[in-house]
Amino acid sequence: DAGITQSPRYKITETGRQVTLMCHQTWSHSYMFWYRQDLGHGLRLIYYSAAADITDKGEVPDGYVVSRSKTENFPLTLESATRSQTSVYFCASNGMGDQQFFGPGTRLTVL
Amino acid sequence: SQKIEQNSEALNIQEGKTATLTCNYTNYSPAYLQWYRQDPGRGPVFLLLIRENEKEKRKERLKVTFDTTLKQSLFHITASQPADSATYLCALQRDSNYQLIWGAGTKLIIKP
Repeated sequence: DAGITQSPRYKITETGRQVTLMCHQTWSHSYMFWYRQDLGHGLRLIYYSAAADITDKGEVPDGYVVSRSKTENFPLTLESATRSQTSVYFCASNGMGDQQFFGPGTRLTVL
Repeated sequence: SQKIEQNSEALNIQEGKTATLTCNYTNYSPAYLQWYRQDPGRGPVFLLLIRENEKEKRKERLKVTFDTTLKQSLFHITASQPADSATYLCALQRDSNYQLIWGAGTKLIIKP
């Protein structure tokens, strides 16, 4: 399927566990982004990537790790999940234009 | 620090009327401003982008204005319909490095 997909869509985990959220896009867009969205807050940028093997921190990177070995994939790992990381996570991408294309989101609950 | 404000309270509009949403910002000089629509349980969807040298942009029933002196953007939906009910997000972009700073969004409810 064309577009940007995220998996899993829903995830419940426990404090201290490692969790990886997957993001895949079929457009070969250069830029990819990870955001978290919490009630009362705007989307907050966690990490972004300008191309394969190029990543950089956003506004709230602590506790998260990313990698981008292939242009189409941009996984986000929570190394040791905390309750404060309970959130909805969105992956996005863009190519030559300025608009961003978003995935459907992953709702993560950390117990 | 940079701050973007959108009406936190839901905006209730009668069908057929014009809905106007506000995005104010401080401590920022954006080159671009974007508006997105977000439906419950879904990711945001791009609607319009306006550049700092543009005062107004239109797309079908949508109109966006950008006043860099007032540090404000207005987003209008004319002839509003219940299907326009959603949360609308504004996002600022300093330059073409693609990083966006987001407002928290305004929930718009169009009543039949």
